[in-house]
Amino acid sequence: DTGVSQDPRHKITKRGQNVTFRCDPISEHNRLYWYRQTLGQGPEFLTYFQNEAQLEKSRLLSDRFSAERPKGSFSTLEIQRTEQGDSAMYLCASSIRSTSHTEAFFGQGTRLTVV
Amino acid sequence: DAKTTQPNSMESNEEEPVHLPCNHSTISGTDYIHWYRQLPSQGPEYVIHGLTSNVNNRMASLAIAEDRKSSTLILHRATLRDAAVYYCILNSLGLDKLVFGAGTILRVKS
Repeated sequence: DTGVSQDPRHKITKRGQNVTFRCDPISEHNRLYWYRQTLGQGPEFLTYFQNEAQLEKSRLLSDRFSAERPKGSFSTLEIQRTEQGDSAMYLCASSIRSTSHTEAFFGQGTRLTVV
Repeated sequence: DAKTTQPNSMESNEEEPVHLPCNHSTISGTDYIHWYRQLPSQGPEYVIHGLTSNVNNRMASLAIAEDRKSSTLILHRATLRDAAVYYCILNSLGLDKLVFGAGTILRVKS
């Protein structure tokens, strides 16, 4: 297993188009997180899953955003009717749910540019 | 979510120790102190974590104040590859989610 992988690495889209990103977590990890990061800022939490259940969504996740993790493995993040303000790096992370500390592993992200 | 305060940026010379401070005066008894770093064009990566006692691993050391209201990440010999944004994060048992602040930009001079 080579870690968390995200696809595509870069996406340029026209305003108003829909885009979908994919995240493949580390195989035994039951938790999966999505973050968004803009230039000069730390990553902002969007949502997370435990197995296939979406347990929390940030207020940042507008109605145009939807995330799924259908079989508790890979996840997709879809943005409908993209806006220029959606331009950002979208990061995925995975971890193992535990009552003690567990490390989150991040992918390299998908950089979205909306023109 | 408990908040942390870090300096915006710090600078270090190569092969010298670096002490990155973090204040977390509102820390609760169940909050772990985590440090992650983000190299340019990469996702964040775990560095170290602790609860009450000082911790060492191959990457760094974490010194935690006795009252737990502050901590310091120590890189014993900075290299150019340590230039990154360092995030200090509080997180309760179970790692529901990591809440990142702006972090400290560490610049390392050769």
